[in-house]
Amino acid sequence: DSGVTQTPKHLITATGQRVTLRCSPRSGDLSVYWYQQSLDQGLQFLIQYYNGEERAKGNILERFSAQQFPDLHSELNLSSLELGDSALYFCASSVGPEQVQPQHFGDGTRLSIL
Amino acid sequence: GNSVTQMEGPVTLSEEAFLTINCTYTATGYPSLFWYVQYPGEGLQLLLKATKADDKGSNKGFEATYRKETTSFHLEKGSVQVSDSAVYFCAADGGGSTLGRLYFGRGTQLTVWP
Repeated sequence: DSGVTQTPKHLITATGQRVTLRCSPRSGDLSVYWYQQSLDQGLQFLIQYYNGEERAKGNILERFSAQQFPDLHSELNLSSLELGDSALYFCASSVGPEQVQPQHFGDGTRLSIL
Repeated sequence: GNSVTQMEGPVTLSEEAFLTINCTYTATGYPSLFWYVQYPGEGLQLLLKATKADDKGSNKGFEATYRKETTSFHLEKGSVQVSDSAVYFCAADGGGSTLGRLYFGRGTQLTVWP
């Protein structure tokens, strides 16, 4: 058990819809990262937050947004969903961004767009 | 930019066979390197890491040595078990302005038969 909790585990929805994925980091971790795992792109970094503030952005679409709340949990919002957004979305956490630290991953949310 | 390339799978071995999964990286600086393992239906788990040249990471019988001259971080295990069947990901953290952003290889599926 990594200590990182993601909900829901599975999400099935239709094109054009909007969904919210939730992540609770390990106790004591201040940094949260979101990754997308798809068959064609592999594992891609989306975005990082540290203590409530956006720290780094990767290959995140404009239709996607995220935030980290004062209690440090994070949400990834995906809107105007397309078939190609079907993927496994992982959240990871680490203590902080000052130096390289291992990231601890949740079990992911599998998003299926019909 | 930063990128990681690892050998394509799948890899199929008999129990007690020797395992090597090749991984090379491209980075502007000197990245920290990681191997993660993903069991079916689970998130990624950190297997081992190395933060500077000639460092050897090891865990659960797996080893990988950070080779700056060949920009490689190959994963090895002397005697695999059925329980090692999983997908293995090589990853790099480029540090500097990309600190915390992991770049992943495409993953290598390992199946070990009894």
